[in-house]
Amino acid sequence: ETGVTQTPRHLVMGMTNKKSLKCEQHLGHNAMYWYKQSAKKPLELMFVYNFKEQTENNSVPSRFSPECPNSSHLFLHLHTLQPEDSALYLCASSQGTSQGTQYFGPGTRLLVL
Amino acid sequence: AQSVTQPDIHITVSEGASLELRCNYSYGATPYLFWYVQSPGQGLQLLLKYFSGDTLVQGIKGFEAEFKRSQSSFNLRKPSVHWSDAAEYFCAVGPDNYGQNFVFGPGTRLSVLP
Repeated sequence: ETGVTQTPRHLVMGMTNKKSLKCEQHLGHNAMYWYKQSAKKPLELMFVYNFKEQTENNSVPSRFSPECPNSSHLFLHLHTLQPEDSALYLCASSQGTSQGTQYFGPGTRLLVL
Repeated sequence: AQSVTQPDIHITVSEGASLELRCNYSYGATPYLFWYVQSPGQGLQLLLKYFSGDTLVQGIKGFEAEFKRSQSSFNLRKPSVHWSDAAEYFCAVGPDNYGQNFVFGPGTRLSVLP
């Protein structure tokens, strides 16, 4: 497999559920990102990891919990979400966080009921 | 802080017609500029990027973009649009060596008439 992969591609969850989104990059990059894309809103950067260390948390609610066990894998753990959290969650990776072109995965379409 | 504007929310063109999507940015130095395309239900695919040098950059799928410092613009062009070009197009600025991350514009949705 090449590029950036995300699983699952679609997820429906209730507000009391706990689920996790997974992202894997096969590009040898050392930086990974989570973005939220809601309808009619610009892409929102949520988290940035560089060499497994979190370098950015864009005031994201604690019901979203990221985890980066190594430079190739990134998780987003979800718990007690709200309906307004329904969106497309995109993962990206780059070679470094400065001047690095970001490559995106296909996204996970999340619906919170 | 950096910002990106894409003045056109939605553009409709006929297949075979030329296309220009506008992008304006606000940044204190020479920016790194990108255009991405997103098909429905998909992630973002890089079309082209400008870092330095020639201000006219060529990308994939027959797209090109021109960096104009005097106008703070980085407009995307294609001489002849194909039906498969219908998608959402995002202009982006950054990142830089000072901790600035990517900033994306709001996107322009392109519809193509047969």
